Amino acid sequence: QQQVKQSPQSLIVQKGGISIINCAYENTAFDYFPWYQQFPGKGPALLIAIRPDVSEKKEGRFTISFNKSAKQFSLHIMDSQPGDSATYFCAASIMDSSYKLIFGSGTRLLVRP
Amino acid sequence: GAVVSQHPSWVICKSGTSVKIECRSLDFQATTMFWYRQFPKQSLMLMATSNEGSKATYEQGVEKDKFLINHASLTLSTLTVTSAHPEDSSFYICSASPPDSVNYGYTFGSGTRLTVV
Repeated sequence: QQQVKQSPQSLIVQKGGISIINCAYENTAFDYFPWYQQFPGKGPALLIAIRPDVSEKKEGRFTISFNKSAKQFSLHIMDSQPGDSATYFCAASIMDSSYKLIFGSGTRLLVRP
Repeated sequence: GAVVSQHPSWVICKSGTSVKIECRSLDFQATTMFWYRQFPKQSLMLMATSNEGSKATYEQGVEKDKFLINHASLTLSTLTVTSAHPEDSSFYICSASPPDSVNYGYTFGSGTRLTVV
């Protein structure tokens, strides 16, 4: 019940295309869903996050879509660029008392020029 | 704001020795910090939750006597890998959550690459 399932494992997109990464969770107590971007040899960096009271959040080229009834959320990267090539992790947490983050397995994105 | 600094960024040690990794919150106080371990091409595995002024909470399967965590102040947590062996070689990452977590989320350090030879 603590798992967050992420797909696909890897993704190749042409420059300018849309990258879509999906995650699903089981624990309905989760109320915070962030996405992290990680480059090789670096720590993860917060990209965008959403709470369950909204169905969509957009920041620049990055959009989170959230489906509470289906317990699923996804990251859309519009106009994907080679610089977006990185590993992306979804995560879930409970936003009280600094509850731990539960991470998905990660998606390695490669954006071809 | 919300910067977490981790030191060192990489370390090589001999088998049997101990290594200490520091995690500092630079511009906020963190009563809770988290330590993760990441193997190549894998996700982050939570090792323990570090609580200021009290004992750390370890995840199932993590040896508390091998991975010593000390959270002596609101801005510093340390992870000591004791009697390190080659299988302890990994990427260790800490994170902390600023008080205004809704906006900042969990901020991660830049990680420490530990190689045990």
